[in-house]
Amino acid sequence: KQEVTQIPAALSVPEGENLVLNCSFTDSAIYNLQWFRQDPGKGLTSLLLIQSSQREQTSGRLNASLDKSSGRSTLYIAASQPGDSATYLCARGEDSNYQLIWGAGTKLIIKP
Amino acid sequence: DAGITQSPRHKVTETGTPVTLRCHQTENHRYMYWYRQDPGHGLRLIHYSYGVKDTDKGEVSDGYSVSRSKTEDFLLTLESATSSQTSVYFCAISGTTGDNEQFFGPGTRLTVL
Repeated sequence: KQEVTQIPAALSVPEGENLVLNCSFTDSAIYNLQWFRQDPGKGLTSLLLIQSSQREQTSGRLNASLDKSSGRSTLYIAASQPGDSATYLCARGEDSNYQLIWGAGTKLIIKP
Repeated sequence: DAGITQSPRHKVTETGTPVTLRCHQTENHRYMYWYRQDPGHGLRLIHYSYGVKDTDKGEVSDGYSVSRSKTEDFLLTLESATSSQTSVYFCAISGTTGDNEQFFGPGTRLTVL
């Protein structure tokens, strides 16, 4: 069974630090990898999508990388701010039916 | 935000009552999905649609049915609600850009008493 794992489940860091969130997956035949943010009681916001042919994508202070050979994706957040506090989820895409396989998420707290 | 709305946003109902949740999109995306999100289980796919009148089951489809009679609307029906169906339900869309980036609606919080 294909799985997506996010470690750690929770992370607390002081404001201003650069940090990395991890996402690992089985089966290197990945179609794409998507990172989302979810604020408490809210829906999911798409942050970055990396296609299987790409190695990274950037949006503002966020950079997501994809290494298919090691089955790993990372989300790098530069100069963290309290407003970055949220749960971050990664999901791998399947090309056969356009479904996503989800990680359980990392709850991030940025301390002022 | 992508043009996705869900209605109702909150609903409280009783066991055995039929419930229909609506997802409406203005983006003309081909694919639409219904998920439920529960503590300890994360996001789980209920049903999805790959076109008008074309639907398929996800991993937790028992007790749920769906219909898609128009591109823009995807309905989720609980024929006879049970307390185990208390959850937050999210609709998502994808497919127009060809890269399967999924965009989510704001969610519906359903409580079955």
